Amino acid sequence: KAGVTQTPRYLIKTRGQQVTLSCSPISGHRSVSWYQQTPGQGLQFLFEYFSETQRNKGNFPGRFSGRQFSNSRSEMNVSTLELGDSALYLCASSLLATGLRNTQYFGPGTRLTVL
Amino acid sequence: EDQVTQSPEALRLQEGESSSLNCSYTVSGLRGLFWYRQDPGKGPEFLFTLYSAGEEKEKERLKATLTKKESFLHITAPKPEDSATYLCAVQLLTGNQFYFGTGTSLTVIP
Repeated sequence: KAGVTQTPRYLIKTRGQQVTLSCSPISGHRSVSWYQQTPGQGLQFLFEYFSETQRNKGNFPGRFSGRQFSNSRSEMNVSTLELGDSALYLCASSLLATGLRNTQYFGPGTRLTVL
Repeated sequence: EDQVTQSPEALRLQEGESSSLNCSYTVSGLRGLFWYRQDPGKGPEFLFTLYSAGEEKEKERLKATLTKKESFLHITAPKPEDSATYLCAVQLLTGNQFYFGTGTSLTVIP
């Protein structure tokens, strides 16, 4: 079974631009969560989608948004990029919504650099 | 406030020198505790899930245990290829997110 895939793997943007990241979950998984990982803060939860609905949101500004499609693929958008948005963005999929017992499996991440 | 703390932040071991990593948590209610391994520039790789105090899981040189306040990841006779950052995460009984610790960076020297 193929794992979680994320595209692109690397991105370089400049301040003020916007960016869209994509995540394809493991086949059959309906829940997708997004995390931001930086050296100082570790993994910070952004949001979770289940059956095209945002189930939960972390403490990030409204510049960070996401959506999920009917095939469970998910996209994350960051508008008006700031230098501090440079990070590894990780997508995790799970079979069920994360309010139930199940395991999150991570993709390889998208390394975003904002200049 | 729900919190997950991992210690030590970094650990250097000689090949074959066994040790333990700690993950302590203060949460309102634990649904599950997860251990992941992360290599530089890659996504976390799932290792174990523990649900109940007293539960243990093993995989090759790794063994994870869980108490009511903390979890340990025991590494027996580590090899250089065990070098990575080990992350623990908790899933709460309420809410829909996982809380991660900041990880322990393990280096195993040949």
